Amino acid sequence: GQQVMQIPQYQHVQEGEDFTTYCNSSTTLSNIQWYKQRPGGHPVFLIQLVKSGEVKKQKRLTFQFGEAKKNSSLHITATQTTDVGTYFCAGLQAGTALIFGKGTTLSVSS
Amino acid sequence: NAGVTQTPKFRVLKTGQSMTLLCAQDMNHEYMYWYRQDPGMGLRLIHYSVGEGTTAKGEVPDGYNVSRLKKQNFLLGLESAAPSQTSVYFCASQGFYEQYFGPGTRLTVT
Repeated sequence: GQQVMQIPQYQHVQEGEDFTTYCNSSTTLSNIQWYKQRPGGHPVFLIQLVKSGEVKKQKRLTFQFGEAKKNSSLHITATQTTDVGTYFCAGLQAGTALIFGKGTTLSVSS
Repeated sequence: NAGVTQTPKFRVLKTGQSMTLLCAQDMNHEYMYWYRQDPGMGLRLIHYSVGEGTTAKGEVPDGYNVSRLKKQNFLLGLESAAPSQTSVYFCASQGFYEQYFGPGTRLTVT
């Protein structure tokens, strides 16, 4: 069945360093979504990417969707302590429900 | 506008007991979902519904049943709880494409 793999599982950075998490699917996706879950909280929607090669930015966050629509990445520039949490990608294949990756947990030390 | 609410927030069950988790949304969304979240496993889809009176199985449906008698409510039932069902359960409803998550129910089965 469809799988969405996400790496790394954990990442620790110093405040001000950059951070990237990668998401790979075994099949071509219709779209990909990203969610953030703060410690003790619930997932919150960040963004959706639909087009091949699409790049979207939200302040210090940059999201990319691969040309083949099988991979995606989230890059955070100059991390802050408010960025801590677990970032999930979730891929949608036509005719199926959203499949979540296992997430990347980011910790930031000041 | 409360969004997505879940009842209860915490519950401890003994093996073999039954319970129902309630999810309610006030956004008039058609699609609703039940996920479980275990450490290192991400979010796994249990069951989902595309509208009132409809339900469908997700990735990990065994041991759970659901009902969607009213559009705003989605119930998740455990008929005979097992320790393997110890988890955090999240309900979500879907807007145009993004999912809105409830605060979660932490269930422990002893």
